[in-house]
Amino acid sequence: AQTVTQSQPEMSVQEAETVTLSCTYDTSESNYYLFWYKQPPSRQMILVIRQEAYKQQNATENRFSVNFQKAAKSFSLKISDSQLGDTAMYFCANHQLINSGGSNYKLTFGKGTLLTVNP
Amino acid sequence: DAGVTQSPTHLIKTRGQQVTLRCSPISGHKSVSWYQQVLGQGPQFIFQYYEKEERGRGNFPDRFSARQFPNYSSELNVNALLLGDSALYLCASSGTGQQGWETQYFGPGTRLLVL
Repeated sequence: AQTVTQSQPEMSVQEAETVTLSCTYDTSESNYYLFWYKQPPSRQMILVIRQEAYKQQNATENRFSVNFQKAAKSFSLKISDSQLGDTAMYFCANHQLINSGGSNYKLTFGKGTLLTVNP
Repeated sequence: DAGVTQSPTHLIKTRGQQVTLRCSPISGHKSVSWYQQVLGQGPQFIFQYYEKEERGRGNFPDRFSARQFPNYSSELNVNALLLGDSALYLCASSGTGQQGWETQYFGPGTRLLVL
């Protein structure tokens, strides 16, 4: 089974500093998509950033960027200028085919990293 | 435009009962996926529906069933509830579910507690 591993259950960072969340994944597909989702205490899952595996350029969205290392199957999230509102669970996810030979996709999630931003 | 909506927000049931959870996708989206998120874990895929047809099922028992209606809203049913079914149930919508680049957008979830 394809897996997504987040090795840091919890992390903390001071406001305005930079933090990096780690993620490794396993896939047998040649082209695939990776996502970081954020789930604040209010529990609404929100898309943070998306990376297409065939693109070598790392994705960026304002203060959020990724370091995508395809050969190492690594997909880390960097948050710059951390804000109190960034406090949340962060989930790394891999888009994968539900059934081999099919055309429908599901998300496979890691266990998450709880990030706390301290004032 | 409204995002994905789910009802109810919270639900308390006892073992052996049946429950129905509801989801309305983003306007224009035709695919709905259901995920179960047990406390402290990432969401696990349960079902995906597109154009009222089941397009995929995760590793869940037959007590779990779902359907999609002509307006693309969806229901998740769980029969013979067990304590282990206590979880946050998330609904996600996407355009078709058939493109790897499509993003799935999540609703706020339904928190189910089984006593």
